[in-house]
Amino acid sequence: GDSVTQMEGPVTLSEEAFLTINCTYTATGYPSLFWYVQYPGEGLQLLLKATKADDKGSNKGFEATYRKETTSFHLEKGSVQVSDSAVYFCALSEDTGGFKTIFGAGTRLFVKA
Amino acid sequence: DAMVIQNPRYQVTQFGKPVTLSCSQTLNHNVMYWYQQKSSQAPKLLFHYYDKDFNNEADTPDNFQSRRPNTSFCFLDIRSPGLGDAAMYLCATSRGGDRTKNIQYFGAGTRLSVL
Repeated sequence: GDSVTQMEGPVTLSEEAFLTINCTYTATGYPSLFWYVQYPGEGLQLLLKATKADDKGSNKGFEATYRKETTSFHLEKGSVQVSDSAVYFCALSEDTGGFKTIFGAGTRLFVKA
Repeated sequence: DAMVIQNPRYQVTQFGKPVTLSCSQTLNHNVMYWYQQKSSQAPKLLFHYYDKDFNNEADTPDNFQSRRPNTSFCFLDIRSPGLGDAAMYLCATSRGGDRTKNIQYFGAGTRLSVL
Protein backbone atom coordinates (compact mmCIF):
# COMPACT_ATOMS: atom_id res chain seq x y z
CA GLY A 1 0.00 0.00 0.00
CA ASP A 2 0.86 3.68 -0.08
CA SER A 3 3.39 4.90 2.48
CA VAL A 4 5.42 7.94 3.53
CA THR A 5 8.94 7.84 4.95
CA GLN A 6 10.54 10.88 6.50
CA MET A 7 13.81 11.47 8.25
CA GLU A 8 13.98 10.68 11.91
CA GLY A 9 14.35 13.43 14.43
CA PRO A 10 14.87 15.27 16.46
CA VAL A 11 16.56 17.87 14.35
CA THR A 12 18.25 20.61 16.36
CA LEU A 13 19.31 23.83 14.65
CA SER A 14 20.43 27.27 15.64
CA GLU A 15 18.31 30.24 14.67
CA GLU A 16 18.84 31.37 11.05
CA ALA A 17 20.20 27.96 10.00
CA PHE A 18 19.03 26.20 6.83
CA LEU A 19 16.49 23.44 7.29
CA THR A 20 15.89 20.33 5.21
CA ILE A 21 13.56 17.53 6.25
CA ASN A 22 13.58 14.65 3.79
CA CYS A 23 10.41 12.89 2.73
CA THR A 24 9.89 10.11 0.22
CA TYR A 25 6.70 8.31 -0.67
CA THR A 26 5.39 5.14 -2.25
CA ALA A 27 2.12 5.33 -4.13
CA THR A 28 0.41 3.25 -6.78
CA GLY A 29 -1.54 6.19 -8.16
CA TYR A 30 -0.89 9.92 -8.46
CA PRO A 31 -1.17 11.37 -4.97
CA SER A 32 -1.31 14.91 -3.67
CA LEU A 33 1.47 15.67 -1.21
CA PHE A 34 1.32 17.73 1.97
CA TRP A 35 3.36 19.00 4.87
CA TYR A 36 1.50 19.46 8.14
CA VAL A 37 2.92 21.07 11.27
CA GLN A 38 1.96 20.34 14.87
CA TYR A 39 2.86 22.84 17.58
CA PRO A 40 2.98 21.62 21.19
CA GLY A 41 -0.44 20.77 22.59
CA GLU A 42 -2.24 21.45 19.32
CA GLY A 43 -3.68 19.57 16.38
CA LEU A 44 -2.05 19.41 12.99
CA GLN A 45 -2.37 22.26 10.54
CA LEU A 46 -1.58 22.36 6.86
CA LEU A 47 1.73 24.03 6.09
CA LEU A 48 1.85 23.57 2.31
CA LYS A 49 0.77 21.26 -0.48
CA ALA A 50 1.48 20.23 -4.06
CA THR A 51 -0.89 18.37 -6.31
CA LYS A 52 1.15 17.49 -9.40
CA ALA A 53 4.70 16.81 -10.49
CA ASP A 54 7.09 19.78 -10.32
CA ASP A 55 4.61 21.86 -8.30
CA LYS A 56 6.24 23.84 -5.53
CA GLY A 57 4.25 24.43 -2.38
CA SER A 58 5.29 27.34 -0.19
CA ASN A 59 4.14 29.06 2.98
CA LYS A 60 5.77 31.07 5.80
CA GLY A 61 9.20 30.71 4.17
CA PHE A 62 8.90 26.92 3.87
CA GLU A 63 9.04 25.26 0.45
CA ALA A 64 8.73 21.77 -0.97
CA THR A 65 8.77 20.54 -4.58
CA TYR A 66 6.85 17.50 -5.82
CA ARG A 67 9.48 15.31 -7.50
CA LYS A 68 7.80 12.42 -9.22
CA GLU A 69 11.01 10.99 -10.64
CA THR A 70 12.53 10.59 -7.18
CA THR A 71 9.18 10.20 -5.33
CA SER A 72 10.24 12.91 -2.92
CA PHE A 73 8.80 16.02 -1.28
CA HIS A 74 11.57 17.46 0.88
CA LEU A 75 10.76 20.41 3.14
CA GLU A 76 13.18 23.35 3.19
CA LYS A 77 13.49 26.72 4.85
CA GLY A 78 16.34 29.11 4.36
CA SER A 79 16.44 30.62 7.84
CA VAL A 80 14.62 28.99 10.75
CA GLN A 81 13.28 30.80 13.79
CA VAL A 82 12.70 29.64 17.35
CA SER A 83 8.96 29.80 16.62
CA ASP A 84 9.41 27.08 13.97
CA SER A 85 10.04 24.52 16.69
CA ALA A 86 7.35 21.89 16.15
CA VAL A 87 6.74 18.44 14.69
CA TYR A 88 6.50 18.27 10.91
CA PHE A 89 4.53 15.55 9.14
CA CYS A 90 4.83 14.67 5.48
CA ALA A 91 1.64 13.18 4.08
CA LEU A 92 -0.04 12.01 0.93
CA SER A 93 -3.62 11.84 -0.16
CA GLU A 94 -4.58 8.82 -2.20
CA ASP A 95 -5.54 9.03 -5.81
CA THR A 96 -9.17 9.43 -6.82
CA GLY A 97 -11.68 7.39 -4.88
CA GLY A 98 -10.08 7.72 -1.50
CA PHE A 99 -10.49 10.27 1.27
CA LYS A 100 -7.71 9.11 3.50
CA THR A 101 -4.41 10.81 4.20
CA ILE A 102 -1.34 8.77 5.00
CA PHE A 103 1.09 10.43 7.36
CA GLY A 104 4.78 9.93 7.90
CA ALA A 105 6.07 9.37 11.43
CA GLY A 106 6.86 13.05 11.95
CA THR A 107 10.12 14.91 12.50
CA ARG A 108 10.57 17.02 15.60
CA LEU A 109 12.45 20.27 15.05
CA PHE A 110 14.11 22.22 17.85
CA VAL A 111 15.45 25.67 17.05
CA LYS A 112 17.83 27.25 19.56
CA ALA A 113 18.16 31.02 19.99
CA ASP B 1 -14.06 31.76 12.25
CA ALA B 2 -14.94 28.44 10.73
CA MET B 3 -13.21 25.69 12.58
CA VAL B 4 -13.11 22.23 14.09
CA ILE B 5 -13.78 22.16 17.81
CA GLN B 6 -13.10 19.26 20.13
CA ASN B 7 -14.43 18.88 23.63
CA PRO B 8 -13.15 18.40 26.16
CA ARG B 9 -9.46 19.26 25.71
CA TYR B 10 -8.53 16.92 28.54
CA GLN B 11 -10.48 13.89 29.69
CA VAL B 12 -9.68 11.58 32.54
CA THR B 13 -11.53 8.30 32.84
CA GLN B 14 -11.22 5.12 34.81
CA PHE B 15 -10.19 1.77 33.44
CA GLY B 16 -13.28 0.20 31.86
CA LYS B 17 -15.53 3.25 32.26
CA PRO B 18 -17.12 4.33 28.96
CA VAL B 19 -16.14 7.72 27.65
CA THR B 20 -17.35 9.92 24.78
CA LEU B 21 -15.32 12.54 22.97
CA SER B 22 -17.02 15.10 20.79
CA CYS B 23 -16.16 17.05 17.67
CA SER B 24 -18.04 19.78 15.87
CA GLN B 25 -17.29 21.64 12.68
CA THR B 26 -18.53 24.81 11.06
CA LEU B 27 -16.84 24.12 7.71
CA ASN B 28 -19.77 22.10 6.33
CA HIS B 29 -17.32 19.45 5.18
CA ASN B 30 -18.51 16.07 3.96
CA VAL B 31 -15.81 13.99 5.60
CA MET B 32 -15.02 13.69 9.30
CA TYR B 33 -12.16 11.62 10.69
CA TRP B 34 -11.03 10.34 14.05
CA TYR B 35 -7.35 9.71 14.68
CA GLN B 36 -5.47 8.33 17.65
CA GLN B 37 -2.04 9.84 18.23
CA LYS B 38 0.38 8.48 20.78
CA SER B 39 3.47 10.31 21.87
CA SER B 40 6.00 10.97 19.07
CA GLN B 41 3.99 8.99 16.53
CA ALA B 42 1.98 9.75 13.43
CA PRO B 43 -1.77 10.06 13.77
CA LYS B 44 -3.42 6.68 13.28
CA LEU B 45 -6.74 6.74 11.47
CA LEU B 46 -9.48 4.94 13.39
CA PHE B 47 -12.43 5.61 11.06
CA HIS B 48 -14.04 8.24 8.91
CA TYR B 49 -17.47 9.28 7.71
CA TYR B 50 -18.28 10.48 4.24
CA ASP B 51 -21.62 12.11 4.95
CA LYS B 52 -23.45 9.26 6.70
CA ASP B 53 -21.31 6.48 5.27
CA PHE B 54 -19.12 5.01 7.97
CA ASN B 55 -15.69 3.57 7.09
CA ASN B 56 -13.87 1.63 9.75
CA GLU B 57 -10.15 0.88 9.48
CA ALA B 58 -9.46 -2.84 9.53
CA ASP B 59 -7.25 -2.66 12.60
CA THR B 60 -9.49 -0.41 14.72
CA PRO B 61 -10.50 -2.31 17.86
CA ASP B 62 -14.20 -3.00 18.41
CA ASN B 63 -13.87 -1.02 21.62
CA PHE B 64 -13.96 2.14 19.51
CA GLN B 65 -17.26 3.27 18.03
CA SER B 66 -18.41 6.45 16.36
CA ARG B 67 -21.62 8.36 15.68
CA ARG B 68 -22.35 11.19 13.32
CA PRO B 69 -25.88 12.43 13.99
CA ASN B 70 -25.60 15.33 11.53
CA THR B 71 -23.09 17.10 9.30
CA SER B 72 -21.69 19.21 12.10
CA PHE B 73 -21.12 16.72 14.89
CA CYS B 74 -19.19 13.50 15.29
CA PHE B 75 -18.58 11.48 18.46
CA LEU B 76 -15.98 8.93 19.46
CA ASP B 77 -17.16 6.38 22.00
CA ILE B 78 -14.68 4.18 23.82
CA ARG B 79 -16.74 1.45 25.42
CA SER B 80 -14.23 0.04 27.88
CA PRO B 81 -11.04 2.09 27.95
CA GLY B 82 -7.83 0.30 28.73
CA LEU B 83 -4.52 1.76 29.80
CA GLY B 84 -3.31 1.41 26.22
CA ASP B 85 -6.03 3.76 25.01
CA ALA B 86 -4.47 6.75 26.73
CA ALA B 87 -3.56 9.05 23.84
CA MET B 88 -4.40 12.25 22.04
CA TYR B 89 -7.53 11.88 19.93
CA LEU B 90 -7.74 14.15 16.92
CA CYS B 91 -10.80 14.99 14.88
CA ALA B 92 -10.37 16.26 11.34
CA THR B 93 -12.57 17.24 8.42
CA SER B 94 -12.15 17.55 4.69
CA ARG B 95 -14.35 18.50 1.78
CA GLY B 96 -13.93 15.13 0.12
CA GLY B 97 -14.02 14.86 -3.63
CA ASP B 98 -10.77 14.26 -5.44
CA ARG B 99 -7.33 14.07 -3.89
CA THR B 100 -6.53 17.72 -4.60
CA LYS B 101 -9.34 18.80 -2.29
CA ASN B 102 -8.42 16.45 0.50
CA ILE B 103 -6.83 19.02 2.79
CA GLN B 104 -7.58 18.02 6.36
CA TYR B 105 -8.55 20.53 9.02
CA PHE B 106 -7.79 19.37 12.53
CA GLY B 107 -9.19 20.20 15.89
CA ALA B 108 -6.87 20.85 18.82
CA GLY B 109 -7.40 17.33 20.11
CA THR B 110 -8.59 15.69 23.31
CA ARG B 111 -5.94 14.20 25.53
CA LEU B 112 -7.36 11.11 27.22
CA SER B 113 -5.91 9.71 30.42
CA VAL B 114 -6.98 6.33 31.76
CA LEU B 115 -6.48 5.66 35.46
